[in-house]
Amino acid sequence: EIVLTQSPDFQSVTPKEKVTITCRASQSIGSSLHWYQQKPDQSPKLLIKYASQSISGVPSRFSGSGSGTDFTLTINSLEAEDAATYYCHQSSSLGTFGQGTKVEIK
Amino acid sequence: QVQLVQSGAEVKKPGASVKVSCKASGYTFTSYDINWVRQATGQGLEWMGWMNPNSGNTGYAQKFQGRVTMTRNTSISTAYMELSSLRSEDTAVYYCARIHDRGAPHDYWGQGTLVTVSS
Repeated sequence: EIVLTQSPDFQSVTPKEKVTITCRASQSIGSSLHWYQQKPDQSPKLLIKYASQSISGVPSRFSGSGSGTDFTLTINSLEAEDAATYYCHQSSSLGTFGQGTKVEIK
Repeated sequence: QVQLVQSGAEVKKPGASVKVSCKASGYTFTSYDINWVRQATGQGLEWMGWMNPNSGNTGYAQKFQGRVTMTRNTSISTAYMELSSLRSEDTAVYYCARIHDRGAPHDYWGQGTLVTVSS
């Protein structure tokens, strides 16, 4: 099973600050890495697909990069509505999720 | 618009089974795989498996092999996830999610179904 490890587990950030979340895979997964945002009591929402492809309707401040085993989700100029937990997900071999990164607004 | 509507909350005793449904609308049901993901309270997302509604083929995470069965009824565009031999650790919200094909992301999610396992 491919293990995904996210860092950090928690981040407290002020509005307009830049947020960087990393996701490391236990083996190479090419670009089969996707990012989701989940707010309390809501279903997850797809933010970025295939490591760096944008999703229609998702604000442009969200971007992704990486390939192989190391991936990054970047939120430029954080807004209050971005307070949520963020998950990476690999679809290269069956499926697994990272443990999540909670982003709190200071 | 695409919708995945899941069945309501369930309370089950340890050792019992639960079957959760996921009714799809707004797209051709047999053209997209359905994945199941669960989330224990305050915990992260856990991928359980996939099903191809066209062929009925399935693939399960090793953790759930032998305990989970994913099926479908194409006439009513509904997918099912049955989990047997329930234990307290299976208490969680269970989600269905659509993917275009193997390797694709989950682009639409159901609203979630809370399954509580308690004696």
